[in-house]
Amino acid sequence: QVQLVQSGAEVKKPGASVKVSCKASGYTFTGYYMYWVRQAPGQGLEWMGWINPNSGGTNYAQKFQGRVTMTRDTSISTAYMELSRLRSDDTAVYYCARDQGGRYSGSYSLSEGFDYWGQGTLVTVSS
Amino acid sequence: DIQMTQSPSSLSASVGDRVTITCRASQSISRYLNWYQQKPGKAPKLLIYAASSLQSGVPSRFSGSGSGTDFTLTISSLQPEDFATYYCQQSYSTPHTFGQGTNLEIK
Repeated sequence: QVQLVQSGAEVKKPGASVKVSCKASGYTFTGYYMYWVRQAPGQGLEWMGWINPNSGGTNYAQKFQGRVTMTRDTSISTAYMELSRLRSDDTAVYYCARDQGGRYSGSYSLSEGFDYWGQGTLVTVSS
Repeated sequence: DIQMTQSPSSLSASVGDRVTITCRASQSISRYLNWYQQKPGKAPKLLIYAASSLQSGVPSRFSGSGSGTDFTLTISSLQPEDFATYYCQQSYSTPHTFGQGTNLEIK
């Protein structure tokens, strides 16, 4: 069965970086785009970007450009999301999620929805 | 960025009620609209994709419709397990923005 298992909760100081992992199992890791979504306490869902596990290509939300880096290690079927220069308003639960299908090119990203999600990783930024 | 606006933001209903949640996009997104259900402390769950396609394993009381800018999620007969927060998401243009959510509560 498909599973996405994320790394554990983190507490970071402002200005630090955090790297969250998402280990996939039960399917061909390189066959599906992986997305990252975050949710601040009591708030809605916020789209961060995606990585193509096959090529390593990425697409980040403008809001996070320059601070976020999404990578993958195909040998261990794991995706990573690193966020730098953390601020208090980066405190959130971070989710990885698999796109169940879609069409992608250099000029468009058409997703068919996220069918599997990790359990979430709470990142707390506090001095 | 495409803005997604859900209404209502919150809704009280009873078991057995028919409920409709609407989602409006700030520009046309064709049928690239998904609906998710989220319960407290849990990851979201995909209910509907491509505006009206029922995700595998999701009960048939859930349905979606719409295209262009206006979309609806309908629950035909509310069950106790349906009380949750619902989000729409456009997946047409990055960033694939979410609506602000609709909190469905028990009346």
